[in-house]
Amino acid sequence: GAVVSQHPSRVICKSGTSVKIECRSLDFQATTMFWYRQFPKQSLMLMATSNEGSKATYEQGVEKDKFLINHASLTLSTLTVTSAHPEDSSFYICSASGGNTDTQYFGPGTRLTVL
Amino acid sequence: AQSVTQPDIHITVSEGASLELRCNYSYGATPYLFWYVQSPGQGLQLLLKYFSGDTLVQGIKGFEAEFKRSQSSFNLRKPSVHWSDAAEYFCAVGARYGNKLVFGAGTILRVKS
Repeated sequence: GAVVSQHPSRVICKSGTSVKIECRSLDFQATTMFWYRQFPKQSLMLMATSNEGSKATYEQGVEKDKFLINHASLTLSTLTVTSAHPEDSSFYICSASGGNTDTQYFGPGTRLTVL
Repeated sequence: AQSVTQPDIHITVSEGASLELRCNYSYGATPYLFWYVQSPGQGLQLLLKYFSGDTLVQGIKGFEAEFKRSQSSFNLRKPSVHWSDAAEYFCAVGARYGNKLVFGAGTILRVKS
């Protein structure tokens, strides 16, 4: 149980385009989803927290207009990187918690490369 | 301030040897503690968690961790390491429900044969 999926696992895009990453909780209702960014050989940096049906809460220094988060249902959250630039290249990981789960369960991550 | 310290960036152990990964935390409320493991290019897998009760918790893959409130520590242990345990290990602290986690910097475990 408590499986979280992410799609796509890898994406390569041109500078200036937008990329959408999906995070799904497959077997539980995720009232809260989290988006993290991980740079090479570094720990996870929380970008934002989203609760189903409400606006995401962004961490200090994270541009909300650049990283659009939508949590429209209890099983799906999306992160859209708008007008991506090479410095946005990173590993993006989502996690989900909620229902009877008192733990964050992580997705497998999405490797974004912006050329 | 909430923080997690993993003092060892890299650890190398021989296969079959015992392992201890250190984790110290600072948290203003009752801490809920987690250990996650990450293989290269993968997401995080939960190894074990501590909320309350017995301070020695058992996890998956033969791992265990001991919560010591007096030392603000939650060290991860395994009596006999396998080559497949080579990965990066993250300690994290947070609230129990729906709250963000604070992660340590991670410890990279290398296993030599």
